[in-house]
Amino acid sequence: IAGITQAPTSQILAAGRRMTLRCTQDMRHNAMYWYRQDLGLGLRLIHYSNTAGTTGKGEVPDGYSVSRANTDDFPLTLASAVPSQTSVYFCASSEEGATGELFFGEGSRLTVL
Amino acid sequence: GQNIDQPTEMTATEGAIVQINCTYQTSGFNGLFWYQQHAGEAPTFLSYNVLDGLEEKGRFSSFLSRSKGYSYLLLKELQMKDSASYLCAVRDSNYQLIWGAGTKLIIKP
Repeated sequence: IAGITQAPTSQILAAGRRMTLRCTQDMRHNAMYWYRQDLGLGLRLIHYSNTAGTTGKGEVPDGYSVSRANTDDFPLTLASAVPSQTSVYFCASSEEGATGELFFGEGSRLTVL
Repeated sequence: GQNIDQPTEMTATEGAIVQINCTYQTSGFNGLFWYQQHAGEAPTFLSYNVLDGLEEKGRFSSFLSRSKGYSYLLLKELQMKDSASYLCAVRDSNYQLIWGAGTKLIIKP
């Protein structure tokens, strides 16, 4: 089934640990994004990539890093997790064209204790 | 600053019509999106408006007035499966999406 796959779907993590959230798409979209979603707040952009080999910072990039070695994969790394990074993380991609609508993965629920 | 406002929660009755409003103040405008998000799931695309007026897609319609910084999503013939959060998002002059916090729609029988 075409789309975006995220892993893990859920994780509990001790503060200070390193964690990588994986994201893979098979739609050959150039642009990919990482968002976090917290109760009462809109989706907030962490990092994005317009094409393989390039990345950019979003609204809330501190404490996170990304890489884009190829078109399909866009992992998000928390170098040293803190409790404020407890959230639901969504990976998304967008196709070229007039609307540029986003296609989202199913999300990764991360709890940092 | 940039801001998207939408009601936090709305309640409607099965079979009825509901209108979810969204007002925005952004640095430029390059389109407005509505997404649907069921609890515990990912957002899914519903509609896109870039010109003023009404876009109709089945039971769902979306309206835009750029001069007023205003949009609404109209849902007709409500079904229980329409219970979800509805997210309004505006693409600004830098082609970045600014998201509202979402409106939780509760459908009662």
